[in-house]
Amino acid sequence: DADVTQTPRNRITKTGKRIMLECSQTKGHDRMYWYRQDPGLGLRLIYYSFDVKDINKGEISDGYSVSRQAQAKFSLSLESAIPNQTALYFCATGTGDYNEQFFGPGTRLTVL
Amino acid sequence: RKEVEQDPGPFNVPEGATVAFNCTYSNSASQSFFWYRQDCRKEPKLLMSVYSSGNEDGRFTAQLNRASQYISLLIRDSKLSDSATYLCVVNSLQTARQLTFGSGTQLTVLP
Repeated sequence: DADVTQTPRNRITKTGKRIMLECSQTKGHDRMYWYRQDPGLGLRLIYYSFDVKDINKGEISDGYSVSRQAQAKFSLSLESAIPNQTALYFCATGTGDYNEQFFGPGTRLTVL
Repeated sequence: RKEVEQDPGPFNVPEGATVAFNCTYSNSASQSFFWYRQDCRKEPKLLMSVYSSGNEDGRFTAQLNRASQYISLLIRDSKLSDSATYLCVVNSLQTARQLTFGSGTQLTVLP
């Protein structure tokens, strides 16, 4: 039973389509994060949220938007997908003074 | 200069060997230091939080040198199952509640 779940796990879409990636958690953490991972570039932060009313842009937020529907749910949207958004996307929760983070299994997105 | 730098490897070592990874960071005010492990196409998993000057967990030892701004991870008696990419992580320049991830060091333990 996963503490952080992501749907879908794999998605292939076409340029210009709107797509939503969803994240749910049962860990009870207030902080949630969206990252993308590209080969050789490591994890880069897209958006993060410290509670339902607090949403912040990360390093690479252009072309993305998010919604924090509840403490347990944080979704990422690509309004008009483009091929260079092809990547592995991870959702994470964070806790504690030192901000330990715990990741979902990832969504592999391909934009054709 | 990158906020977090790691030798990408790959490190190929025989079973039973001891292997060490180093990581340097640029934010002298960082308070959070972690090592994560990532298997191919899977999510990063927290391996160790690094406290004070360092800590040990079984075969794994992490050390922190604040003066030189580097973190190390030592793996003793390597197992085949240790094969993975190891990510060095510190809290970012922007805010303590963001983390900056290194690009990772790839380890393969050979039979």
